[in-house]
Amino acid sequence: QKEVEQDPGPLSVPEGAIVSLNCTYSNSAFQYFMWYRQYSRKGPELLMYTYSSGNKEDGRFTAQVDKSSKYISLFIRDSQPSDSATYLCAMRRGSTLGRLYFGRGTQLTVWP
Amino acid sequence: DGGITQSPKYLFRKEGQNVTLSCEQNLNHDAMYWYRQDPGQGLRLIYYSQIVNDFQKGDIAEGYSVSREKKESFPLTVTSAQKNPTAFYLCASSSERESEQFFGPGTRLTVL
Repeated sequence: QKEVEQDPGPLSVPEGAIVSLNCTYSNSAFQYFMWYRQYSRKGPELLMYTYSSGNKEDGRFTAQVDKSSKYISLFIRDSQPSDSATYLCAMRRGSTLGRLYFGRGTQLTVWP
Repeated sequence: DGGITQSPKYLFRKEGQNVTLSCEQNLNHDAMYWYRQDPGQGLRLIYYSQIVNDFQKGDIAEGYSVSREKKESFPLTVTSAQKNPTAFYLCASSSERESEQFFGPGTRLTVL
């Protein structure tokens, strides 16, 4: 079993839809949870960062972490064609110098 | 401008040849990482280094080698022992001061 599981999609939604992206994980030592966005043939860029359980909101994006269920989510409200990208969940145990564990990424297309 | 540079953007090599991918950062980050990305596979860790002159194997180190002689540089050599080297290679760096890993633009390696 991989440490981080993420449905690769693809996911296709109309503009304005609410998008829900999810990851599950098996290692209870993970404490820091991230969502990266990657446009085609580019390097990933950090979208959301959360520590431990709870919610974090930034504009149209909301990240949720449920450590008891080992489940994290990213919600995108009022989705735009510019949100079309691959979304990668990532997590790590402690030190910021430590390695990240990534999901496979979910490919999202938002059509006008 | 601070950031991570990877060169070249596209690289072609014949089968059986070693090739070295460059990664340089001017962010004064202590840790550097190399990932490989294949379609639908997410990011897989090849090697990482938390300090100069030291590095650790990631999940798929076989057929690759690295060096970390300077803080700002972490070159990756893809050797002829790597059975399937055609992929998108991403370099990243991080520091204790910041929560995220910053990624470079990537190098797409094609072995003919």
